[in-house]
Amino acid sequence: DTAVSQTPKYLVTQMGNDKSIKCEQNLGHDTMYWYKQDSKKFLKIMFSYNNKELIINETVPNRFSPKSPDKAHLNLHINSLELGDSAVYFCASSQGGGREWEQYFGPGTRLTVT
Amino acid sequence: GQSLEQPSEVTAVEGAIVQINCTYQTSGFYGLSWYQQHDGGAPTFLSYNALDGLEETGRFSSFLSRSDSYGYLLLQELQMKDSASYFCAVRDRTSGSARQLTFGSGTQLTVLP
Repeated sequence: DTAVSQTPKYLVTQMGNDKSIKCEQNLGHDTMYWYKQDSKKFLKIMFSYNNKELIINETVPNRFSPKSPDKAHLNLHINSLELGDSAVYFCASSQGGGREWEQYFGPGTRLTVT
Repeated sequence: GQSLEQPSEVTAVEGAIVQINCTYQTSGFYGLSWYQQHDGGAPTFLSYNALDGLEETGRFSSFLSRSDSYGYLLLQELQMKDSASYFCAVRDRTSGSARQLTFGSGTQLTVLP
């Protein structure tokens, strides 16, 4: 059973398009995250939700909009894609109660903008 | 702001011991985590230190010195499958007071036969 799953695994699209990435976790965790990993493997947090409430919103262009319909799902919608958005996007989750030191990552979505 | 420093690359041979260091600067520090990431894979949690000292988990150990803002990951009896990137990550607070992990840039470990 997959703990944290993301779809799609690969996404190739053209500049200016709008795309979404979906994430689901079946661990019963309260907190979910979106990270961006660039070509140099630098892993940077973008957003975090705790029980559907946005708790971390780092300096990210407002073209990126997260949505958490319930605590098991966290989706990422990206408008007007740009070349610089090409990266691997990871979803992650952790238990509530401040256990954010141990996060479980999904397999990643490799986004390529042409 | 926050900053973490770790070596970009480390090379060792099978069976050896390797230490990956991490120094950090941050406010509101709670602890230091370590993650492993194989090429094309997802980061996976290895260990966490909130207090000074050594934590051992099988062949891997992690150390923290809060007074020195320093930690390390020790890998013993290296195996080929240990070739991966290793990230230290500080558990600290955002400007909005939420706790988060801030990751270092990663150390690429290559294990040679």
